[in-house]
Amino acid sequence: SQQGEEDPQALSIQEGENATMNCSYKTSINNLQWYRQNSGRGLVHLILIRSNEREKHSGRLRVTLDTSKKSSSLLITASRAADTASYFCATDAGTGGFKTIFGAGTRLFVKA
Amino acid sequence: DSGVTQTPKHLITATGQRVTLRCSPRSGDLSVYWYQQSLDQGLQFLIQYYNGEERAKGNILERFSAQQFPDLHSELNLSSLELGDSALYFCASSVGGGGLTDTQYFGPGTRLTVL
Repeated sequence: SQQGEEDPQALSIQEGENATMNCSYKTSINNLQWYRQNSGRGLVHLILIRSNEREKHSGRLRVTLDTSKKSSSLLITASRAADTASYFCATDAGTGGFKTIFGAGTRLFVKA
Repeated sequence: DSGVTQTPKHLITATGQRVTLRCSPRSGDLSVYWYQQSLDQGLQFLIQYYNGEERAKGNILERFSAQQFPDLHSELNLSSLELGDSALYFCASSVGGGGLTDTQYFGPGTRLTVL
């Protein structure tokens, strides 16, 4: 099974609202990244959080990491219609592994 | 524009055929990653090369092979194609060789349709 699993699978909100997406993983990791994908296009890196970090911010994005629960969350504040996309978390395989494992993604719809 | 280029954009071929997908990484990036994205399997890591050497292997089928050339561009060869190989194939590149240690920059993808 996949290392990273996002929750929810899909999320629909109004512009201006906050969107929270969660990612859970199974084994220990060194790094976790969040990516965004517009329909049918390549992924765009959003933020990297390392296993010794608990929270990071980038503009309207806030990422948290709880290694004890093996989970991460991505919060997008004051969402815009342009934030409509799929969001993926990616983890490495921990202990010396270099495999990058993506979750199934959360599809976010922001209604204007 | 990520700086990663992939050719071709679209590829339509028949079962049993062989195709080659090409990727040019961003200038200065030493790692190239290949991913397959399909509706039922999601985004699957296939393989990573770092400075010409294979660094990590994921869910790559034996019918698939890849290589990275001295100029750092990479090719993914898919042979004995099956209907289930229809997918978007992405290439990504990064400066270092540590997987998620640094940012991976994704190309626009090649959409492969096997008929």
